[in-house]
Amino acid sequence: QSALTQPASVSGSPGQSITISCTGTTNDVGAYNYVSWYQQHPGKAPRLLIYDVTIRPSGVSPRFSGSKSGNTASLTISGLQPEDEGDYYCCSYTTSSTLVFGGGTELTVL
Amino acid sequence: EVLLVESGGGLVQPGRSLRLSCTTSAFSFGDYPLSWFRQAPGQGLQWVGLIRNKDYGAITQYAASVKGRFIISRDDSKSVAYLQMNSLKTEDTAVYYCSRAGQQFPPFWYFDMWGRGTLVTVSS
Repeated sequence: QSALTQPASVSGSPGQSITISCTGTTNDVGAYNYVSWYQQHPGKAPRLLIYDVTIRPSGVSPRFSGSKSGNTASLTISGLQPEDEGDYYCCSYTTSSTLVFGGGTELTVL
Repeated sequence: EVLLVESGGGLVQPGRSLRLSCTTSAFSFGDYPLSWFRQAPGQGLQWVGLIRNKDYGAITQYAASVKGRFIISRDDSKSVAYLQMNSLKTEDTAVYYCSRAGQQFPPFWYFDMWGRGTLVTVSS
């Protein structure tokens, strides 16, 4: 199972919005609405931001939102804040009953 | 506060075995599926495998890269999950995380609670 495709890096200024894409295939992202997004700061455990494509767990800022079109899922962060800097990973359930991650996107807040 | 704490990591030679533990507290352990993930140094996240809760037969599922070598088990009486790693390879070097599924019943393919991880280094 190949990894999902994410941009290696994105950047934005405080207050701006950015979108991170996550491209898979009809065997993963396109097959189910079981896409999740995780944030990870250096040396820390991942933190769940979005699950089932669009659902935000309690405690996660409404500045984070998810969507999907075909084989591509997206995470949008609005009103960028310095603490949003870190690595972001998408994850999808697959038709092989496994989970596959994207390679990760490093977000820099300028 | 929900806690998951991994232990058992360390330096091991290629071909040898190691068992990791995930000790948990403050939630109904037996009701939830649990998963193991790993992250090689400087690399991204990788799913290792999952064990369902007993209501779903405690069935295990694994990534292709570890299937046949790694075994996940659970002891609901102790609120502990295990990852038995056999025939270790240098490419298994990573921080290993255990994580709780976000819900008790399918589909449970998201994970809302994570431990801090334990480092496994496979080297001669």
